[in-house]
Amino acid sequence: GENVEQHPSTLSVQEGDSAVIKCTYSDSASNYFPWYKQELGKRPQLIIDIRSNVGEKKDQRIAVTLNKTAKHFSLHITETQPEDSAVYFCAASTNQGGKLIFGQGTELSVKP
Amino acid sequence: DVKVTQSSRYLVKRTGEKVFLECVQDMDHENMFWYRQDPGLGLRLIYFSYDVKMKEKGDIPEGYSVSREKKERFSLILESASTNQTSMYLCASSLSGGGGEQYFGPGTRLTVT
Repeated sequence: GENVEQHPSTLSVQEGDSAVIKCTYSDSASNYFPWYKQELGKRPQLIIDIRSNVGEKKDQRIAVTLNKTAKHFSLHITETQPEDSAVYFCAASTNQGGKLIFGQGTELSVKP
Repeated sequence: DVKVTQSSRYLVKRTGEKVFLECVQDMDHENMFWYRQDPGLGLRLIYFSYDVKMKEKGDIPEGYSVSREKKERFSLILESASTNQTSMYLCASSLSGGGGEQYFGPGTRLTVT
């Protein structure tokens, strides 16, 4: 089955710097790659997603890139702010009943 | 606005007890999911359901079962709770098919003593 590996497990940056989180997946049939943000004590929420027919997608300060050949995708956050501090999860899906396989999570800390 | 609710935020049970965790969504979603969340392990899928009375095993189904008698409700059952099932349990739902946003409930922090 699908396996998703996420790195790093923790990331600390200064406010205003960029942050990059990387994920690799194993199943070449995966075609949907969402990113979820989970603030402390709250539920995970979708922040951006990308489908396999697109190489890059941006939404204000966040962007996701996908390399299907290498089977990896990344989340880029520019001009980080303290409110970006959270745990971020990547995931991959082959559309089987909407099933997602999640990575292990990255705890991002943005220091003022 | 999608609303996914779970029956309890915190639950303490004893080893060997049968435990029921309930999840209800109000957006007529076909797909429903149960995950457990443990530090460093991410969100691991226990079971999911893409229709009433349908269920599929996820990656870690051992020690759990599920029930979906109505479209809006998906129950997770721990037949005989064990201490290694102490965890945060998250329910989610999404529209039919694949490649869509999952909406999560607030989670149930279960402690088995």
